[in-house]
Amino acid sequence: EVQLVESGGGLVQPGGSLGLSCAASGFSFSDYWMHWVRQIPGKGLVWVSRINGDGSSTHYADSVRGRFTISRDNAKNILYLQMSSLRADDTAVYYCASASVGGARNALDIWGQGTMVTVSS
Amino acid sequence: QSVLTQPPSASGTPGQRVTISCSGSSSNIGKNTVNWYQQFPETAPKLLIYGRNLRPSGVPDRFSGSKSGTSASLAISGLQSDDEADYYCAAWDDSLDGVVFGGGTKLTVL
Repeated sequence: EVQLVESGGGLVQPGGSLGLSCAASGFSFSDYWMHWVRQIPGKGLVWVSRINGDGSSTHYADSVRGRFTISRDNAKNILYLQMSSLRADDTAVYYCASASVGGARNALDIWGQGTMVTVSS
Repeated sequence: QSVLTQPPSASGTPGQRVTISCSGSSSNIGKNTVNWYQQFPETAPKLLIYGRNLRPSGVPDRFSGSKSGTSASLAISGLQSDDEADYYCAAWDDSLDGVVFGGGTKLTVL
């Protein structure tokens, strides 16, 4: 079964750090761009970051650049998002997603179930 | 404020055809393909349309996408009650060097 499963969410204080993981299964993980997208409950989708198949190319939204780091371990089929200097406005559900359809780098056809990150004192 | 502009709401009756618009600029929709997503409450989004009006396996052909200049549209024909959901457009933005989403359109089936 094709699947993405996020973990690592939770409550963290402002200024703190948190690491998210996304375990992939059922597809050729290393072949595809992977993305993180977040969503404040009840609000819209916001793109966070993406990484190419071999991890050599990364992109970030302006709001997280310099604070978040995306990476991947293709041997373990795991995508990561290391978040630091967290702020209250980083509070959201974080989804990992794969762009595995038709060679389109940004068409996110496989999504995880999401993990909630709450930044609060 | 989202980079791509969608109407916050849309509605239609069963069987009707509805369209949802998505307005952008020369750095995103004007240069890159538009992807459309469907999202039900408390669930992850689902890819509906990608590339030049392509549908992933399992997406019915009632859903179609089009683009003209810096605007795009999602059309849903033969509207069903199960189509009631939030719909988002998205595209790569060459200036921002990232993916941009629309603010989402809540579709109500009357």
